[in-house]
Amino acid sequence: QKEVEQDPGPLSVPEGAIVSLNCTYSNSAFQYFMWYRQYSRKGPELLMYTYSSGNKEDGRFTAQVDKSSKYISLFIRDSQPSDSATYLCAMSPLYNFNKFYFGSGTKLNVKP
Amino acid sequence: EAGVAQSPRYKIIEKRQSVAFWCNPISGHATLYWYQQILGQGPKLLIQFQNNGVVDDSQLPKDRFSAERLKGVDSTLKIQPAKLEDSAVYLCASSSLRGTSPGEQFFGPGTRLTVL
Repeated sequence: QKEVEQDPGPLSVPEGAIVSLNCTYSNSAFQYFMWYRQYSRKGPELLMYTYSSGNKEDGRFTAQVDKSSKYISLFIRDSQPSDSATYLCAMSPLYNFNKFYFGSGTKLNVKP
Repeated sequence: EAGVAQSPRYKIIEKRQSVAFWCNPISGHATLYWYQQILGQGPKLLIQFQNNGVVDDSQLPKDRFSAERLKGVDSTLKIQPAKLEDSAVYLCASSSLRGTSPGEQFFGPGTRLTVL
């Protein structure tokens, strides 16, 4: 079993839709949770960072962490064609917080 | 500020040949990472340097992969000999040193390796 599971998609939505991206994990030691966006032929770039449980909002993006269910989500409101990319969740444990474990990524396509 | 630089961007080699990738991190970043990203998968950490010392190389296939970080700045990742399953994008990332939480990892564009 992989430590981080992520639905690969692809997920195709119309412009303006609300998008929900999710990851599950098995290691209860994970305390830091990140979402990265990766455009084709580019390196990942950090979108959101959350410590422990709770919600965090940044513009059109909201990250949620439910540690009791070992489940994290990224919501994108009013999705735009420029949001079309692969979204990677990543997480790390408290005892080795610089060691990131990535999900396999969900490919999102926002249609104009 | 300039981002993480990597070269070459693309490399095609025959199996059993050797190959080297180069990374120049963001100026002042103490921590440097090499990741392997196989098509359809997330990045997998190969090796982590802090300054010029190795912090974690537990997932580096040491029989064929080697890496060094000269003077705590640039880094080189080498594969010798390459296998078909080494076909992947090799990503370099760097972060500043933070004592109590993860530093943001900034990624380079990657080197796409194809082993024939």
